[in-house]
Amino acid sequence: KNQVEQSPQSLIILEGKNCTLQCNYTVSPFSNLRWYKQDTGRGPVSLTIMTFSENTKSNGRYTATLDADTKQSSLHITASQLSDSASYICVVTLNYGQNFVFGPGTRLSVLP
Amino acid sequence: DVKVTQSSRYLVKRTGEKVFLECVQDMDHENMFWYRQDPGLGLRLIYFSYDVKMKEKGDIPEGYSVSREKKERFSLILESASTNQTSMYLCASSLWWSRALNTEAFFGQGTRLTVV
Repeated sequence: KNQVEQSPQSLIILEGKNCTLQCNYTVSPFSNLRWYKQDTGRGPVSLTIMTFSENTKSNGRYTATLDADTKQSSLHITASQLSDSASYICVVTLNYGQNFVFGPGTRLSVLP
Repeated sequence: DVKVTQSSRYLVKRTGEKVFLECVQDMDHENMFWYRQDPGLGLRLIYFSYDVKMKEKGDIPEGYSVSREKKERFSLILESASTNQTSMYLCASSLWWSRALNTEAFFGQGTRLTVV
């Protein structure tokens, strides 16, 4: 069964600290993996995309990694800001972009 | 910028009412999707469409129907709303895969539906 799992379910950190969110997937055929950020009451917005051949990709303070052998991805947030408080959703694309499998998300709270 | 617009941010309906949720995208995307999002369950696919008048059931189609008469518009219909359909509904669109291999799903702002 195609599935995406994320951990932790929720996370609280202090402003300025770093954190890492995890994503494990059992999806085939794999096309790409995206991390989305969803602010409360809003739709998700894409942060990064990782294809099969990519190991790491950065977008400002966000760095995503992908290990296609172990089917694991991580999203590292550096020097967190209050505006980073959101849900982060890992999404795996299969069937050459026709279907998306969503993880349940990690709820991140950044406190001052 | 891609824009996916959902007709309502918040909606309150009574049990048994017929409910229409509208979604419009302005980027000529072939694919359109309707998801519902519930705490702890993530996004679950209700229906998707890859062309006008075409529709495919997702993981949880029961109690819902859809309509796609025009490429830019995808409607979700709750034939007879029930309290267990209280949820956040998200519409998304994306390019057909052959036009963009690493296609991205662009989301609307969501509709918070409460059925009382």
